[in-house]
Amino acid sequence: ILNVEQSPQSLHVQEGDSTNFTCSFPSSNFYALHWYRWETAKSPEALFVMTLNGDEKKKGRISATLNTKEGYSYLYIKGSQPEDSATYLCASHYGGSQGNLIFGKGTKLSVKP
Amino acid sequence: EAGVTQFPSHSVIEKGQTVTLRCDPISGHDNLYWYRRVMGKEIKFLLHFVKESKQDESGMPNNRFLAERTGGTYSTLKVQPAELEDSGVYFCASSQGLSWRATSYEQYFGPGTRLTVT
Repeated sequence: ILNVEQSPQSLHVQEGDSTNFTCSFPSSNFYALHWYRWETAKSPEALFVMTLNGDEKKKGRISATLNTKEGYSYLYIKGSQPEDSATYLCASHYGGSQGNLIFGKGTKLSVKP
Repeated sequence: EAGVTQFPSHSVIEKGQTVTLRCDPISGHDNLYWYRRVMGKEIKFLLHFVKESKQDESGMPNNRFLAERTGGTYSTLKVQPAELEDSGVYFCASSQGLSWRATSYEQYFGPGTRLTVT
C-alpha cells in the first residue's frame, strides 16, 4: 500500500509570515508529484507538477521543491496573505498505476489578517 | 475553456436509495478519473477511463458502484443501493493523456459532488 504523508495537518499564521509544508511519498517507481490548492466547495486548483529530482517550481509567492531520492517535497509560501487560506494537497503518481493519484490528507492553512 | 463540471453539487438521499452523479470533463481530454474523499480522510482513487474504456477500476469499493462513460465524453457514477458509508465528496478529474511530458500528467478537478446518505 502506497502512503503519502503531509505535515503539519494544520497551520495558523499571521499575515506576512512565510511558511512551508512537507509531503513525504514512497520513492520507488515514482513518476510525478502534484501540489493542489483546495478551498471547500471549489475545484482543487493545480499548483505544480514535478517529475525530476531537484525540480523547483514557482508561481508568484508560492514555490515547491522535489527530492525523489529521499521521497519528499516542500511547498513554500512567502509573505502569506488571508487569501492563501486553503487546504494544500500533495499527490504522487507511480509507474504502472495508469495515472491515478495517491493523495495525502492535506495541510490546512489559516492566515489571520 | 470550460473546466470540469459536476452535477449535482450536493445530494442528500436515504439509505437504500439510488443516486447518479455526472461529470463533464474538459473537451478533448481522453482520461477521466473518479475520486472520493470521506470526511477526515484523504482523497482516494476510484476508477480511470481512457475514452470510453475502463482502464483501472481497482479503487471501486464494491459492486454497488457503477461507472459509465458512453461515447467517451461525459461520465456517470451510480450508487445503488446507497449505504451510510458512501457519504463523502465525489470528485471527477480529467487529463489530456499519459506521456513522458510532465504537463500531460496534470489532472484538472471538478468542484465535486457532496453526497450525504442518511
